[in-house]
Amino acid sequence: KNEVEQSPQNLTAQEGEFITINCSYSVGISALHWLQQHPGGGIVSLFMLSSGKKKHGRLIATINIQEKHSSLHITASHPRDSAVYICAGPYSGGGADGLTFGKGTHLIIQP
Amino acid sequence: DAGITQSPRHKVTETGTPVTLRCHQTENHRYMYWYRQDPGHGLRLIHYSYGVKDTDKGEVSDGYSVSRSKTEDFLLTLESATSSQTSVYFCAIRAGAQETQYFGPGTRLLVL
Repeated sequence: KNEVEQSPQNLTAQEGEFITINCSYSVGISALHWLQQHPGGGIVSLFMLSSGKKKHGRLIATINIQEKHSSLHITASHPRDSAVYICAGPYSGGGADGLTFGKGTHLIIQP
Repeated sequence: DAGITQSPRHKVTETGTPVTLRCHQTENHRYMYWYRQDPGHGLRLIHYSYGVKDTDKGEVSDGYSVSRSKTEDFLLTLESATSSQTSVYFCAIRAGAQETQYFGPGTRLLVL
C-alpha cells in the first residue's frame, strides 16, 4: 500500500504570501493528485500530474517522480484560498483501485 | 461535479441497524469508489468498483459491503452499524482523459 505524507499539517499565513505544501509518497506511482476541501465538506480535484509542473491560476503543482515528492504552491495567497489541501496517490500503485491520501494541510490565509 | 449524487445526505441511526448509502452517477463512468473521512485519519478507501458486479476491497472494508447492479449506482451497506462507523462518506468516480477523480457531496452518518 502506498503511504502518503504531507507537511505542514497546519499553516497560517498573511494575504499575499507565497505558500508551499509538500507531499511525499512511498511507492513508485504514475500520477499524484492534489485536492481542495473547503469548510462545509466538498472535495474538488485541483491537479493530477505525472511529471513536471502544472499551473492553474495562482496554483502551481510540481512533481519529481524519482524522488517521490510533490509540492503545491499558491502565489499571492488570498483569504479565499483558506481550505484543507490534500495530496493523494494510487492506493497500490496501479491507479484504478482508488486513492490513498495524506492527512491534509489546513491552510488559513489572514487578511 | 460529474453528475454525482449521494443519498441520504445526512442520517442518524442506532447501533446494530443496517444502513445503505447510495451513490448515483449520470455519465456512465466505469470506476466508482467509496471513501470515509475521519478527523486524524483523513480519507480512506472502503471499497471500489471497476464495472457492474465487479467490486473489490479497500483499506477499511471490514463491516461494509457494496453492490453494483447497474453502472450508475454504487451502494454501500453497513451490515450492522457501529459507533466507529460514524463518519462522512464520499463517493467518487474516475473520469476524463486524465482519469481525474470527482467526488460526490458526501453523506454524514451518525451512529448512536
